[in-house]
Amino acid sequence: KAGVTQTPRYLIKTRGQQVTLSCSPISGHRSVSWYQQTPGQGLQFLFEYFSETQRNKGNFPGRFSGRQFSNSRSEMNVSTLELGDSALYLCASSLARLSTDTQYFGPGTRLTVL
Amino acid sequence: EDKVVQSPLSLVVHEGDTVTLNCSYEVTNFRSLLWYKQEKKAPTFLFMLTSSGIEKKSGRLSSILDKKELFSILNITATQTGDSAVYLCAVEKYGGSQGNLIFGKGTKLSVKP
Repeated sequence: KAGVTQTPRYLIKTRGQQVTLSCSPISGHRSVSWYQQTPGQGLQFLFEYFSETQRNKGNFPGRFSGRQFSNSRSEMNVSTLELGDSALYLCASSLARLSTDTQYFGPGTRLTVL
Repeated sequence: EDKVVQSPLSLVVHEGDTVTLNCSYEVTNFRSLLWYKQEKKAPTFLFMLTSSGIEKKSGRLSSILDKKELFSILNITATQTGDSAVYLCAVEKYGGSQGNLIFGKGTKLSVKP
């Protein structure tokens, strides 16, 4: 069974630009969560999607948004990029909500903002 | 504010040593505590703990939770170079604006041959 895939794996943008990251969950998984990982703050929850609906959102500004499609694939968008948005963005999928012990992480997208 | 604190932040040991990683937490609406291993990019799940005093074991790794004192430990015996990684502790809670999982900053373990 293929794992969680994220594209692109690496991305370089400049301040003020916007970016869209993609996450394809494991087949059959309907819950997708996004996290931001930085050396200073560690792993922080961004949002969770289940059945195309955002179910939970972390403490991030409105520049961070996401969506989920009917095939459970998810995208996250960051507008008006800032230097502090440089991070590893991880997505994780699970069969159902609150199934953290069966949550699988993707390899992440490394975003660098110059 | 909810928080999860791991210690030490980094640790260097030699193969064969036994290590203990610590995770303390202050979280409302606690549901479970999870340990992950992060080698390069994707964290991989190790344990999920929900009850105090019940040890979870997988090979050379074991973990236990103390819900009264609000901490957990992860033990690794007979360490190998392949154990080198960042070990993340996360607390799962019911609801909350921080989302379901609140992570500590991790313990970076380096195992030297």
